[in-house]
Amino acid sequence: DQQVKQNSPSLSVQEGRISILNCDYTNSMFDYFLWYKKYPAEGPTFLISISSIKDKNEDGRFTVFLNKSAKHLSLHIVPSQPGDSAVYFCAASSYSAGGTSYGKLTFGQGTILTVHP
Amino acid sequence: DAGVIQSPRHEVTEMGQEVTLRCKPISGHDYLFWYRQTMMRGLELLIYFNNNVPIDDSGMPEDRFSAKMPNASFSTLKIQPSEPRDSAVYFCASSRDPSSSYEQYFGPGTRLTVT
Repeated sequence: DQQVKQNSPSLSVQEGRISILNCDYTNSMFDYFLWYKKYPAEGPTFLISISSIKDKNEDGRFTVFLNKSAKHLSLHIVPSQPGDSAVYFCAASSYSAGGTSYGKLTFGQGTILTVHP
Repeated sequence: DAGVIQSPRHEVTEMGQEVTLRCKPISGHDYLFWYRQTMMRGLELLIYFNNNVPIDDSGMPEDRFSAKMPNASFSTLKIQPSEPRDSAVYFCASSRDPSSSYEQYFGPGTRLTVT
């Protein structure tokens, strides 16, 4: 049972335009969300995060939006650059649940972003 | 800091053989995670440790998989016997206590091919 889902396997955008990557979750206990970026032959690297008490977090060209009622979050990249081409993973954690959930991240399947020059 | 170190980077083995993957976490990180990445299932958590103690191994697919963390600077993931469906990229990650940071730092991964 996939608790975190990224329904778009791939996304292609033109350089300079906006990239929007989407993520849905089913577990209402999730209270912290992260986005990771992964280049080929490398491990994922942390990009940006958001707590469930917020609905938006911005860091330079990257903004994450959280809609708790819809159990949906999205990552916006503006403007997109060719160097942003990578696999993007959405991840979620249920910090407040404690127990074996403490410290654990549940990842989605990833979305391959290609930014064309 | 050198980051999370994994070895080997690539492993090709025949079905039935034992495979051992190794990980050195970032110094000072109390949590260590083993993940497997496949096209179908994305990044799956296999097992994680806190202060060298296994906390959750519910993601370990079968008894053929085992993981150990004998000390704070070393962990192994062993598959015995290996099968072709075990072919995947295996990542190790480490983190501080989540009360200070949720961020997990990943190693470069081990690409395992079982023929």
